[in-house]
Amino acid sequence: GAVVSQHPSWVICKSGTSVKIECRSLDFQATTMFWYRQFPKQSLMLMATSNEGSKATYEQGVEKDKFLINHASLTLSTLTVTSAHPEDSSFYICSASSSPHEQYFGPGTRLTVT
Amino acid sequence: AQTVTQSQPEMSVQEAETVTLSCTYDTSESDYYLFWYKQPPSRQMILVIRQEAYKQQNATENRFSVNFQKAAKSFSLKISDSQLGDAAMYFCAYSLVSGAGSYQLTFGKGTKLSVIP
Repeated sequence: GAVVSQHPSWVICKSGTSVKIECRSLDFQATTMFWYRQFPKQSLMLMATSNEGSKATYEQGVEKDKFLINHASLTLSTLTVTSAHPEDSSFYICSASSSPHEQYFGPGTRLTVT
Repeated sequence: AQTVTQSQPEMSVQEAETVTLSCTYDTSESDYYLFWYKQPPSRQMILVIRQEAYKQQNATENRFSVNFQKAAKSFSLKISDSQLGDAAMYFCAYSLVSGAGSYQLTFGKGTKLSVIP
């Protein structure tokens, strides 16, 4: 099956700094990538949808200036959490898709902001 | 807007027994996809099974099968011969086939399944 990687798997950063998370589709070209946030024991919350070469579409309530998403190629999307604060600590998951009925998930990134 | 409801926050099943997880959804569309995803403690999301709404036949994947009731907007997952490795969070999800947002998944809140040895 299709493989999606995320890097890093776990990152600790200091409050006020920025951190970048990479999402790569390793063996297919993803026309669309998604970024989710998941709090402990909760479901996945869609943050934004990105299509290669165009601006990301953010869900209501998600600050686009805080969560910068870049989808530079058909195999790479990045999420940058700018000026991170402790409340941004969470589990971030990306997924990649080339068709509506197939979405492949990365293993997730645990962000801890101290 | 589409919504997905999983009314069972937690379920448990004896090893080798059968368990059914419930899911209902709300949509005004006639063509869509429904999914069950498994999230084990590793937190890697794994696709368990997928159903296309225009197909009347219920999808099956080995020990996993669904009962898709389109009129009732119900999509339950049956796990037969439960194994310890089936213990996980299970999420029901919905997506459109075409149009705006057709690639997006709408998830339910999940059901935590425990398997008792």
